[in-house]
Amino acid sequence: DQQVKQNSPSLSVQEGRISILNCDYTNSMFDYFLWYKKYPAEGPTFLISISSIKDKNEDGRFTVFLNKSAKHLSLHIVPSQPGDSAVYFCAASKNTGNQFYFGTGTSLTVIP
Amino acid sequence: EAQVTQNPRYLITVTGKKLTVTCSQNMNHEYMSWYRQDPGLGLRQIYYSMNVEVTDKGDVPEGYKVSRKEKRNFPLILESPSPNQTSLYFCASSFVGATNEKLFFGSGTQLSVL
Repeated sequence: DQQVKQNSPSLSVQEGRISILNCDYTNSMFDYFLWYKKYPAEGPTFLISISSIKDKNEDGRFTVFLNKSAKHLSLHIVPSQPGDSAVYFCAASKNTGNQFYFGTGTSLTVIP
Repeated sequence: EAQVTQNPRYLITVTGKKLTVTCSQNMNHEYMSWYRQDPGLGLRQIYYSMNVEVTDKGDVPEGYKVSRKEKRNFPLILESPSPNQTSLYFCASSFVGATNEKLFFGSGTQLSVL
């Protein structure tokens, strides 16, 4: 059963606007969450993470929000740029180990 | 340069012909793992290894074997490939024990089994 879910397979946004990518999880033992970005013909690369002791983490144009009670996290990209067009994977883990559970991915297209 | 290297990048084979996909990392990571990516299914873990000679099954281990004889290498073996193993494969590695670790991925191996 999928423990990490990304219910939107794709998202299109105009350049300069905000992109919001969503992720839900079912396992309350998860306490560390990550977003990976993947371009075609490349491996996923780490983008940003958040620990369960926080509800927000920012890194430049990227912000991840965590709502533990709803078991939901989101990635905000502001402003969106054409180079942000990629597949974004949400991942979760328990801090006690190295097992990472990935969502199905959301393909973001930023329209110039 | 710190990296995870997979070979080959592309592989076309026929049903039943044994193959090996190699993975090597130069970051002295204890943890290594194999994933497959399929449309609509995301990244699913095949096998993982916490250290040399220590391997364990992930979510979709059927039809695959791995070995971890050296810390830097973690090959994926398909003894008798079948068409349902056509997929994009990724190797990944990270440190063990530190909090808030992240995975480093290779560039992927696109496998087609005819």
